[in-house]
Amino acid sequence: QLQLQESGPGLVKPSETLSLTCTVSGGSISSRTYYWGWIRQPPGKGLEWIGIVFYNGVTFYNPSLKSRLTISVDTSKNQFSLNLNSVTAADTAVYYCARDPGHYGGRAWYFDLWGRGTLVTVSS
Amino acid sequence: QSALTQPASVSGSPGQSITISCTGTSSDIGDYNYVSWYQQHPGTAPKLVIYEISNRPPGISNRFSGSKSGNTASLTISGLQTEDEADYYCSSYRSSVTVIFGTGTKVTVL
Repeated sequence: QLQLQESGPGLVKPSETLSLTCTVSGGSISSRTYYWGWIRQPPGKGLEWIGIVFYNGVTFYNPSLKSRLTISVDTSKNQFSLNLNSVTAADTAVYYCARDPGHYGGRAWYFDLWGRGTLVTVSS
Repeated sequence: QSALTQPASVSGSPGQSITISCTGTSSDIGDYNYVSWYQQHPGTAPKLVIYEISNRPPGISNRFSGSKSGNTASLTISGLQTEDEADYYCSSYRSSVTVIFGTGTKVTVL
């Protein structure tokens, strides 16, 4: 049974880089079907789509975050990662990694499997 | 990026049916069939309950159904049960290659 688990620092200082990793277990991240993504949720607020990555490194980003965002994949470790630079308090949120199951060789644009999420607080 | 519009709260008694609306634009819901719905209980990750407007993932009760008309999508929960009490979010693909979520609806079972 495929599972996803987020990991990374729970506290990041303003203007620094937020870095998270999602480890995929019970299946291969190198599937030619699935995409792998990140979603965040500020405390008490709604969900925000961050972006997705394919096993070959192809990415799709939220335009509002694109200038600060990098999502990458490491197939040797069965992991994918999120880097968000120049963070502010507005980036404080629970960050989820998830799987886009794909659709006829493309993206499905929804997530059918989620990690538990990890809270990242931006504060000095 | 403006979110899709959902009612803040919807309530119903056990056994009743409720419908949650999700209003977007011709750049998202109106032009694509990539509408999905998620259920989120407090402190847990969202769970997919509907994808591609009206399809249910394996293991999701047939009490959950989805539809779309124009720029508005809807999620109906029939035979409301206490475990259905949760937050619900819609989402849609939006042109310019992104996904947008709804504002969220808190469902209360009276």
